[in-house]
Amino acid sequence: ILNVEQSPQSLHVQEGDSTNFTCSFPSSNFYALHWYRWETAKSPEALFVMTLNGDEKKKGRISATLNTKEGYSYLYIKGSQPEDSATYLCAFKGNNDMRFGAGTRLTVKP
Amino acid sequence: NAGVTQTPKFQVLKTGQSMTLQCAQDMNHNSMYWYRQDPGMGLRLIYYSASEGTTDKGEVPNGYNVSRLNKREFSLRLESAAPSQTSVYFCASSVSSGAGTDTQYFGPGTRLTVL
Repeated sequence: ILNVEQSPQSLHVQEGDSTNFTCSFPSSNFYALHWYRWETAKSPEALFVMTLNGDEKKKGRISATLNTKEGYSYLYIKGSQPEDSATYLCAFKGNNDMRFGAGTRLTVKP
Repeated sequence: NAGVTQTPKFQVLKTGQSMTLQCAQDMNHNSMYWYRQDPGMGLRLIYYSASEGTTDKGEVPNGYNVSRLNKREFSLRLESAAPSQTSVYFCASSVSSGAGTDTQYFGPGTRLTVL
């Protein structure tokens, strides 16, 4: 069983706060780690795909880091805005099919 | 481009009824996937098709069948629906599936309730 764990399950922050959450995955047979952003009533949309240990990716105020040796990735949001409110999913690709975490649900209050 | 489309958006079935969920993509992707999403759980892979003419079981295939009709279309069939299959079903596609580095593009989902 490939367990992909995300924490926290949910997070409430004030507009302007910076925040981060974690995705933990198996540290063996690593191919890729994906982050998706999923707004309510929409479909998941890709944020990043990361393949190398030590990878850092950035898109605007959102960035992610990857540690394949210890099996975790962090997603950071700097200066959260209400439009950042969404569920953030990570997905681990090993030598089997892609496995998704349950997501971190972020709510940013104005 | 419509991307990934799914029909229907909502469906209510009685236990034992059958139905087919349709999915189509217009991005010329080779790989297509069916997931189910249940509260408190991540997206779980039911079946996938790495390329036209092939299908493989995912994490939770029991009670489902699939058909990769052509490169564009990938359907999911419930032969005898059970209440445990009440879920939101997502179809996705990607350029390929092998290396796992290709982004998956998701459809809008089908909300299925089995009474």
